[in-house]
Amino acid sequence: DAGVIQSPRHEVTEMGQEVTLRCKPISGHNSLFWYRQTMMRGLELLIYFNNNVPIDDSGMPEDRFSAKMPNASFSTLKIQPSEPRDSAVYFCASSLAVAGGTTDTQYFGPGTRLTVL
Amino acid sequence: LAKTTQPISMDSYEGQEVNITCSHNNIATNDYITWYQQFPSQGPRFIIQGYKTKVTNEVASLFIPADRKSSTLSLPRVSLSDTAVYYCLVGGDNQGGKLIFGQGTELSVKP
Repeated sequence: DAGVIQSPRHEVTEMGQEVTLRCKPISGHNSLFWYRQTMMRGLELLIYFNNNVPIDDSGMPEDRFSAKMPNASFSTLKIQPSEPRDSAVYFCASSLAVAGGTTDTQYFGPGTRLTVL
Repeated sequence: LAKTTQPISMDSYEGQEVNITCSHNNIATNDYITWYQQFPSQGPRFIIQGYKTKVTNEVASLFIPADRKSSTLSLPRVSLSDTAVYYCLVGGDNQGGKLIFGQGTELSVKP
């Protein structure tokens, strides 16, 4: 398997623009997670899905952020409008987690480095 | 959620054994202890997981005392390629899959 695939790997945009990050989880995995990593705040969980349903979005910073999982093989994280403070590395991860358990190993993608000017 | 405390950084030399200890005084009965490794410009990668006593795999060992209030990740004979950030996480199924990453321990292996 190719692992978790994320695109784009790098994104540079201007403040106010819409940004869409994409993720393809490992085939057969039932849970998908979106994280954000910055030097100041470390690695933060934004939202996670189980069987394509959002389970916990309490980590989503504000209404400018939205995430969807239309099917088991694709998810998007959208920021509209983007702001400079959104600059970070965004990781997508997936796990087998049939019941949404923490004990299942999470497999992370390579991340998308977002820079908002 | 149980809070974890780990050293911010550690230095070692190639060939040495490295032990990274994590404190989690408020660990719950159902919580597991999991360690992840992150190299620069990459996502975290699972290393090892345990509940109690000792767990060993091809990469590392995890020692958990009877009270489970701490755990120690042991990396035998480290090499330069083990230079990374190591995260200790505590959680269980009651979090529904959530992993809470602390600041991690930045391990630097020198020749």
